[in-house]
Amino acid sequence: DAGVTQSPTHLIKTRGQQVTLRCSPKSGHDTVSWYQQALGQGPQFIFQYYEEEERQRGNFPDRFSGHQFPNYSSELNVNALLLGDSALYLCASSLVSAGESYEQYFGPGTRLTVT
Amino acid sequence: LAKTTQPISMDSYEGQEVNITCSHNNIATNDYITWYQQFPSQGPRFIIQGYKTKVTNEVASLFIPADRKSSTLSLPRVSLSDTAVYYCLVGDMSGRDDKIIFGKGTRLHILP
Repeated sequence: DAGVTQSPTHLIKTRGQQVTLRCSPKSGHDTVSWYQQALGQGPQFIFQYYEEEERQRGNFPDRFSGHQFPNYSSELNVNALLLGDSALYLCASSLVSAGESYEQYFGPGTRLTVT
Repeated sequence: LAKTTQPISMDSYEGQEVNITCSHNNIATNDYITWYQQFPSQGPRFIIQGYKTKVTNEVASLFIPADRKSSTLSLPRVSLSDTAVYYCLVGDMSGRDDKIIFGKGTRLHILP
């Protein structure tokens, strides 16, 4: 068990709606990254939060936003949902200060379906 | 980040040793090589990481030649539960670049 938790497990939304996904990092970790994984594809990096700020961002539109709280947990918000946003959303945590930034621990993901 | 190339899929049989090779011709001096495993509807799981030569842990071995332009993940005596997608990633461990770039990975199918 990697220790990263995500909620909800599954979610069904309608086009145009907004959604918030939540992630709690592994105990002791300070950095949270979000990924989108479409069926049959590898995970695609959305953004990363460290010290409550967005530190890096992938090639995703502004409809995707996030937040990190003082306890290091994080939220991913997606506005104006499109059918193409249907995917598995993965949260990963790491301890950047340890220099082991590539040993990220992934949660089980949230399966989002947009109809 | 260095781009990686892996076979799209591989089949093997229970009890066999499986070797998955990854090409990364543009690997940089500071880059490490990391492999992840992913089962359906689960997040990727770290398997092994190395910089050069050979690394071994309780799950796998990673062979890296001197030029570091490729690497081979070796899974000894695979079982049906090793059926998964395996991703090879290359990146800087310094902390300056923390985003992980996944390719499509290698779909390994273990047959009885």
